[in-house]
Amino acid sequence: GAGVSQTPSNKVTEKGKYVELRCDPISGHTALYWYRQSLGQGPEFLIYFQGTGAADDSGLPNDRFFAVRPEGSVSTLKIQRTERGDSAVYLCASSLRGQGHGYTFGSGTRLTVV
Amino acid sequence: SQQGEEDPQALSIQEGENATMNCSYKTSINNLQWYRQNSGRGLVHLILIRSNEREKHSGRLRVTLDTSKKSSSLLITASRAADTASYFCATDLNDYKLSFGAGTTVTVRA
Repeated sequence: GAGVSQTPSNKVTEKGKYVELRCDPISGHTALYWYRQSLGQGPEFLIYFQGTGAADDSGLPNDRFFAVRPEGSVSTLKIQRTERGDSAVYLCASSLRGQGHGYTFGSGTRLTVV
Repeated sequence: SQQGEEDPQALSIQEGENATMNCSYKTSINNLQWYRQNSGRGLVHLILIRSNEREKHSGRLRVTLDTSKKSSSLLITASRAADTASYFCATDLNDYKLSFGAGTTVTVRA
């Protein structure tokens, strides 16, 4: 597509539930990133994919968070046993390779855990 | 942890005036990028300046980089109401991981 698409745009879930957030990057972009942005803060790095593999997942806060990109295109961020502190906007971005290009961000998924 | 820090946190100017915001960072970088964000959602890439560059222009935007002081500035000339947004600097440490500051909120009054 023309841009990075993220679904859903908003998600409200109960504490303890499982959620999946989807990212559809720009066609041909091999690099895909997930960031998390809390209110009043800048985005924080979660994970970087180059192709199908997670090249760096050092930003994932704990083992409740997991992300996949099985065919090197669409990626899913999965959060188990959600907590209220997980509430944030989850942003996905893609770029050509991973080498000093500006990134194209999606509009994000606003996750609210109640 | 966030490496970049923008200054000021908020800026209010009259339409037609220039807006300047600064970014300081802590470690060596490959490049530094500026992004705009409207209404707390998607970020739009504005400009990328590499560590061996000192100044870059794009339309009404001018970015400077001083690696000796570990600082950058973004100048928006002849501001418009549509420039109202949050602006973030992001340092690219290793060609894939961006570290963002907390941003500068710019309000342009008509």
